[in-house]
Amino acid sequence: GDSVTQMEGPVTLSEEAFLTINCTYTATGYPSLFWYVQYPGEGLQLLLKATKADDKGSNKGFEATYRKETTSFHLEKGSVQVSDSAVYFCALHTGGFKTIFGAGTRLFVKA
Amino acid sequence: EAGVAQSPRYKIIEKRQSVAFWCNPISGHATLYWYQQILGQGPKLLIQFQNNGVVDDSQLPKDRFSAERLKGVDSTLKIQPAKLEDSAVYLCASSAYDPPVLHFGNGTRLTVT
Repeated sequence: GDSVTQMEGPVTLSEEAFLTINCTYTATGYPSLFWYVQYPGEGLQLLLKATKADDKGSNKGFEATYRKETTSFHLEKGSVQVSDSAVYFCALHTGGFKTIFGAGTRLFVKA
Repeated sequence: EAGVAQSPRYKIIEKRQSVAFWCNPISGHATLYWYQQILGQGPKLLIQFQNNGVVDDSQLPKDRFSAERLKGVDSTLKIQPAKLEDSAVYLCASSAYDPPVLHFGNGTRLTVT
């Protein structure tokens, strides 16, 4: 069945460091791909999305490119801030109506 | 626009008791979802409604969980009787359009003792 695999956390970085959180997927057909973020004490919210191969989603300095050949959607940011500390979830949506989430990766950014 | 509303925010019950959660989606959103998020895991879909019809309930433990969405708006999720392994955060989300962007409520944290 369809699934999402994320790198395990927690990931701990110093402020201004480069961030990569890996995400790979298994799906039939052509899924849409998403990154959701959950800040402390808040609900999940959309960070960015891509709906077809080679699309790049971006928001708040974060980017991810839909790579069909490697079935990946890795999240990157060039310079993280303390305020980026959160749990990040990779997700996919298939034509079968279902949105499937990865296990989440917790990010800690130290000042 | 008002977000997805959920209540209660926290609930503590003993095993074998029953509990109900309520969700009010964003106005105009046809699709409503209930997810279960166990600590350290990603959200798992329990049930998905399109208006007031069920689209997917394949992972809903139907011997103890039930859900309804009356008039295609508010929804309730019930657990009866609860088990220790039901301790989790129950998330409600709603969406419009395709592919859907899910808008989540703050969730209900359930502790079963």
